Amino acid sequence: AQKITQTQPGMFVQEKEAVTLDCTYDTSDPSYGLFWYKQPSSGEMIFLIYQGSYDQQNATEGRYSLNFQKARKSANLVISASQLGDSAMYFCAMRELMYSGGGADGLTFGKGTHLIIQP
Amino acid sequence: GAGVSQSPSNKVTEKGKDVELRCDPISGHTALYWYRQSLGQGLEFLIYFQGNSAPDKSGLPSDRFSAERTGGSVSTLTIQRTQQEDSAVYLCASSLGLALNEQYFGPGTRLTVT
Repeated sequence: AQKITQTQPGMFVQEKEAVTLDCTYDTSDPSYGLFWYKQPSSGEMIFLIYQGSYDQQNATEGRYSLNFQKARKSANLVISASQLGDSAMYFCAMRELMYSGGGADGLTFGKGTHLIIQP
Repeated sequence: GAGVSQSPSNKVTEKGKDVELRCDPISGHTALYWYRQSLGQGLEFLIYFQGNSAPDKSGLPSDRFSAERTGGSVSTLTIQRTQQEDSAVYLCASSLGLALNEQYFGPGTRLTVT
Protein backbone atom coordinates (compact mmCIF):
# COMPACT_ATOMS: atom_id res chain seq x y z
CA ALA A 1 0.00 0.00 0.00
CA GLN A 2 1.18 3.50 -0.77
CA LYS A 3 2.28 5.41 2.30
CA ILE A 4 1.83 8.83 0.69
CA THR A 5 -0.97 9.51 -1.77
CA GLN A 6 -1.24 12.64 -3.85
CA THR A 7 -4.39 12.36 -5.91
CA GLN A 8 -3.89 15.38 -8.16
CA PRO A 9 -1.36 14.64 -10.90
CA GLY A 10 -1.81 18.14 -12.32
CA MET A 11 -3.54 21.39 -11.45
CA PHE A 12 -4.12 24.67 -13.26
CA VAL A 13 -4.75 27.71 -11.07
CA GLN A 14 -5.22 31.37 -11.87
CA GLU A 15 -2.57 33.72 -10.53
CA LYS A 16 -3.43 35.27 -7.13
CA GLU A 17 -5.87 32.50 -6.25
CA ALA A 18 -5.29 30.21 -3.30
CA VAL A 19 -4.52 26.59 -4.09
CA THR A 20 -4.78 23.42 -2.02
CA LEU A 21 -2.61 20.41 -2.84
CA ASP A 22 -3.89 17.17 -1.37
CA CYS A 23 -1.84 14.65 0.55
CA THR A 24 -2.98 11.65 2.55
CA TYR A 25 -0.66 9.31 4.37
CA ASP A 26 -0.70 5.88 5.92
CA THR A 27 1.22 4.95 9.03
CA SER A 28 0.71 3.17 12.34
CA ASP A 29 3.74 4.90 13.82
CA PRO A 30 2.59 7.44 16.45
CA SER A 31 5.69 9.57 15.82
CA TYR A 32 6.20 10.93 12.36
CA GLY A 33 6.86 14.08 10.41
CA LEU A 34 5.28 15.36 7.24
CA PHE A 35 7.14 17.52 4.73
CA TRP A 36 6.34 19.38 1.57
CA TYR A 37 8.92 20.02 -1.12
CA LYS A 38 8.78 22.06 -4.32
CA GLN A 39 10.68 20.98 -7.42
CA PRO A 40 10.82 23.61 -10.19
CA SER A 41 11.80 22.68 -13.72
CA SER A 42 15.43 23.30 -12.73
CA GLY A 43 15.22 20.06 -10.74
CA GLU A 44 16.32 21.11 -7.27
CA MET A 45 14.14 20.03 -4.35
CA ILE A 46 13.21 22.98 -2.14
CA PHE A 47 11.94 22.42 1.40
CA LEU A 48 8.72 24.32 2.08
CA ILE A 49 7.12 23.29 5.35
CA TYR A 50 7.12 20.68 8.11
CA GLN A 51 4.45 19.29 10.43
CA GLY A 52 5.16 16.93 13.32
CA SER A 53 2.60 14.35 14.37
CA TYR A 54 2.40 15.80 17.88
CA ASP A 55 2.19 19.42 16.80
CA GLN A 56 -1.03 21.00 18.02
CA GLN A 57 -1.00 23.87 15.58
CA ASN A 58 -0.99 23.76 11.80
CA ALA A 59 2.39 24.76 10.41
CA THR A 60 2.73 28.00 8.49
CA GLU A 61 5.64 29.48 6.53
CA GLY A 62 4.89 32.71 4.74
CA ARG A 63 2.36 31.97 1.99
CA TYR A 64 2.47 28.25 2.77
CA SER A 65 0.34 26.56 5.38
CA LEU A 66 -0.30 22.94 6.12
CA ASN A 67 -3.85 21.80 6.83
CA PHE A 68 -3.11 18.91 9.18
CA GLN A 69 -6.06 16.62 9.95
CA LYS A 70 -4.56 13.82 11.97
CA ALA A 71 -7.66 11.67 12.30
CA ARG A 72 -8.12 11.71 8.54
CA LYS A 73 -4.36 11.24 7.97
CA SER A 74 -4.38 14.26 5.75
CA ALA A 75 -1.71 16.94 5.32
CA ASN A 76 -2.78 19.29 2.56
CA LEU A 77 -0.56 22.17 1.48
CA VAL A 78 -2.26 25.52 1.03
CA ILE A 79 -0.58 28.23 -1.00
CA SER A 80 -2.19 31.62 -0.61
CA ALA A 81 -2.12 34.29 -3.33
CA SER A 82 -0.41 32.10 -5.91
CA GLN A 83 2.32 33.54 -8.11
CA LEU A 84 3.69 32.53 -11.50
CA GLY A 85 6.86 31.37 -9.76
CA ASP A 86 4.86 28.79 -7.83
CA SER A 87 4.58 26.69 -10.98
CA ALA A 88 6.43 23.48 -10.16
CA MET A 89 6.08 19.88 -8.98
CA TYR A 90 5.08 19.59 -5.34
CA PHE A 91 5.88 16.53 -3.28
CA CYS A 92 4.46 15.45 0.04
CA ALA A 93 6.77 13.25 2.12
CA MET A 94 6.78 11.46 5.45
CA ARG A 95 9.42 10.25 7.88
CA GLU A 96 8.43 7.71 10.51
CA LEU A 97 10.35 7.60 13.76
CA MET A 98 9.66 4.40 15.61
CA TYR A 99 9.43 2.16 12.59
CA SER A 100 12.56 3.45 10.93
CA GLY A 101 15.41 1.25 9.89
CA GLY A 102 15.18 -1.54 7.37
CA GLY A 103 15.34 0.92 4.53
CA ALA A 104 12.89 3.34 6.12
CA ASP A 105 15.37 5.90 7.40
CA GLY A 106 14.67 8.35 4.65
CA LEU A 107 11.68 10.28 3.45
CA THR A 108 8.86 8.44 1.70
CA PHE A 109 7.55 10.61 -1.12
CA GLY A 110 4.27 10.78 -2.93
CA LYS A 111 4.16 10.87 -6.71
CA GLY A 112 3.74 14.63 -6.76
CA THR A 113 1.36 17.23 -8.14
CA HIS A 114 2.33 19.35 -11.13
CA LEU A 115 1.01 22.83 -10.39
CA ILE A 116 0.75 25.38 -13.18
CA ILE A 117 -0.13 28.97 -12.35
CA GLN A 118 -1.77 30.81 -15.21
CA PRO A 119 -1.63 34.61 -15.62
CA GLY B 1 26.37 29.41 3.47
CA ALA B 2 26.91 26.92 0.68
CA GLY B 3 24.25 24.35 0.03
CA VAL B 4 24.61 20.68 -0.79
CA SER B 5 26.79 20.16 -3.83
CA GLN B 6 26.92 17.15 -6.12
CA SER B 7 29.20 16.14 -8.92
CA PRO B 8 29.11 15.51 -11.74
CA SER B 9 25.88 17.24 -12.72
CA ASN B 10 25.52 14.92 -15.69
CA LYS B 11 27.05 11.55 -16.40
CA VAL B 12 26.64 9.42 -19.49
CA THR B 13 28.11 5.96 -19.28
CA GLU B 14 28.03 2.72 -21.20
CA LYS B 15 26.20 -0.27 -19.83
CA GLY B 16 28.52 -2.37 -17.71
CA LYS B 17 30.80 0.47 -16.61
CA ASP B 18 31.19 1.61 -13.01
CA VAL B 19 30.28 5.15 -11.95
CA GLU B 20 30.95 7.25 -8.86
CA LEU B 21 28.68 10.06 -7.77
CA ARG B 22 29.85 12.54 -5.18
CA CYS B 23 27.96 14.54 -2.56
CA ASP B 24 29.28 17.32 -0.35
CA PRO B 25 26.76 18.12 2.41
CA ILE B 26 26.12 21.42 4.13
CA SER B 27 28.83 22.14 6.66
CA GLY B 28 27.75 21.00 10.11
CA HIS B 29 25.09 18.62 8.88
CA THR B 30 25.67 15.18 10.36
CA ALA B 31 23.00 13.30 8.43
CA LEU B 32 23.35 12.56 4.73
CA TYR B 33 20.84 10.85 2.46
CA TRP B 34 20.86 9.49 -1.06
CA TYR B 35 17.70 9.28 -3.18
CA ARG B 36 16.95 8.31 -6.75
CA GLN B 37 14.34 9.98 -8.93
CA SER B 38 13.10 8.32 -12.08
CA LEU B 39 9.97 8.60 -14.18
CA GLY B 40 8.88 5.07 -13.46
CA GLN B 41 9.67 4.84 -9.76
CA GLY B 42 9.33 8.41 -8.55
CA LEU B 43 11.52 9.42 -5.61
CA GLU B 44 13.12 6.49 -3.79
CA PHE B 45 15.22 6.55 -0.67
CA LEU B 46 18.50 4.66 -1.06
CA ILE B 47 20.73 5.05 1.99
CA TYR B 48 21.32 7.21 5.04
CA PHE B 49 24.46 8.12 6.98
CA GLN B 50 24.40 9.54 10.48
CA GLY B 51 27.84 10.86 11.34
CA ASN B 52 30.37 8.07 11.06
CA SER B 53 27.94 5.27 11.87
CA ALA B 54 27.65 2.33 9.51
CA PRO B 55 24.64 2.85 7.26
CA ASP B 56 21.66 0.57 6.80
CA LYS B 57 22.09 -0.67 3.23
CA SER B 58 18.75 -2.40 2.90
CA GLY B 59 17.27 0.44 0.83
CA LEU B 60 19.83 0.03 -1.93
CA PRO B 61 18.19 -1.49 -5.03
CA SER B 62 20.86 -4.13 -5.68
CA ASP B 63 24.29 -5.25 -4.54
CA ARG B 64 25.78 -3.30 -7.44
CA PHE B 65 25.12 -0.18 -5.39
CA SER B 66 27.38 0.88 -2.55
CA ALA B 67 28.01 4.08 -0.67
CA GLU B 68 30.55 5.42 1.73
CA ARG B 69 31.06 8.54 3.73
CA THR B 70 34.53 9.65 4.60
CA GLY B 71 35.26 11.63 7.76
CA GLY B 72 31.58 12.22 8.39
CA SER B 73 31.40 14.62 5.46
CA VAL B 74 31.69 13.85 1.74
CA SER B 75 29.86 10.80 0.45
CA THR B 76 30.31 8.73 -2.69
CA LEU B 77 27.63 6.54 -4.25
CA THR B 78 29.12 3.88 -6.50
CA ILE B 79 27.20 1.86 -9.04
CA GLN B 80 29.05 -1.12 -10.48
CA ARG B 81 28.28 -2.74 -13.82
CA THR B 82 25.65 -0.13 -14.64
CA GLN B 83 22.41 -1.18 -16.29
CA GLN B 84 19.96 0.90 -18.32
CA GLU B 85 17.46 0.78 -15.47
CA ASP B 86 19.99 2.69 -13.35
CA SER B 87 19.35 5.78 -15.48
CA ALA B 88 17.87 8.37 -13.14
CA VAL B 89 18.63 11.54 -11.24
CA TYR B 90 20.52 10.78 -8.05
CA LEU B 91 19.81 13.30 -5.32
CA CYS B 92 21.76 13.84 -2.15
CA ALA B 93 20.37 15.59 0.91
CA SER B 94 21.72 16.56 4.29
CA SER B 95 20.21 17.60 7.59
CA LEU B 96 21.23 18.57 11.08
CA GLY B 97 20.87 15.01 12.22
CA LEU B 98 17.65 14.52 14.08
CA ALA B 99 15.28 12.28 12.16
CA LEU B 100 12.62 14.94 11.74
CA ASN B 101 14.92 17.78 10.76
CA GLU B 102 14.21 19.05 7.27
CA GLN B 103 16.49 17.74 4.58
CA TYR B 104 18.21 20.07 2.14
CA PHE B 105 18.79 18.67 -1.30
CA GLY B 106 21.57 19.11 -3.79
CA PRO B 107 21.01 19.75 -7.50
CA GLY B 108 21.38 16.07 -8.35
CA THR B 109 23.41 14.01 -10.80
CA ARG B 110 21.62 12.96 -13.96
CA LEU B 111 22.90 9.50 -14.88
CA THR B 112 22.26 8.10 -18.34
CA VAL B 113 23.30 4.55 -19.10
CA THR B 114 23.49 3.81 -22.82
